[in-house]
Amino acid sequence: KQEVTQIPAALSVPEGENLVLNCSFTDSAIYNLQWFRQDPGKGLTSLLLIQSSQREQTSGRLNASLDKSSGRSTLYIAASQPGDSATYLCAVSLMEYGNKLVFGAGTILRVKS
Amino acid sequence: EPEVTQTPSHQVTQMGQEVILRCVPISNHLYFYWYRQILGQKVEFLVSFYNNEISEKSEIFDDQFSVERPDGSNFTLKIRSTKLEDSAMYFCASSLEQAGDTEAFFGQGTRLTVV
Repeated sequence: KQEVTQIPAALSVPEGENLVLNCSFTDSAIYNLQWFRQDPGKGLTSLLLIQSSQREQTSGRLNASLDKSSGRSTLYIAASQPGDSATYLCAVSLMEYGNKLVFGAGTILRVKS
Repeated sequence: EPEVTQTPSHQVTQMGQEVILRCVPISNHLYFYWYRQILGQKVEFLVSFYNNEISEKSEIFDDQFSVERPDGSNFTLKIRSTKLEDSAMYFCASSLEQAGDTEAFFGQGTRLTVV
């Protein structure tokens, strides 16, 4: 059974710092990995999608990498801002069940001004 | 920008009552999903729907749950007889192709409170 783990569970950093969020998954047979942002009591906003054949994706200050063989992904946030404060979730799409996303528990990020 | 919309944003219901949660997926998308998130827990897959039928469902999605696409735009989740443990945030999502190939876009959620 696919398990997705995110480390750290919570992170508090001063504004301007670069930071890395980690995601690991137990079964490397994935179609893709998606990073989401969730604000308190709100929905999920898709940030980046990395296909299993790709190594990384970039969008603005965000860069996500994928190492499928080792079951790891990182989300790098450059020059963090207070508006980046949110919970960041990673989710993998399984090869066996292409329509199902399996989520991690998330990293709660607080960027202090 | 196209988005997935869900109504209502918050629903309070008495235990044993039926509820219908509504979603309007992105118009050209073909795959539709329901997920739920119990407070403080992970987002969990409930069901996927394609070509007017369920393509996958989880163990959570038992006979108390059903989904329907009653017309060309709406996608609904019905809980027949709600229990306290059904209290959660329910998210609808849609994708152009199956989730393995393209991004899944999520709605803002319906917070269901069963009392």
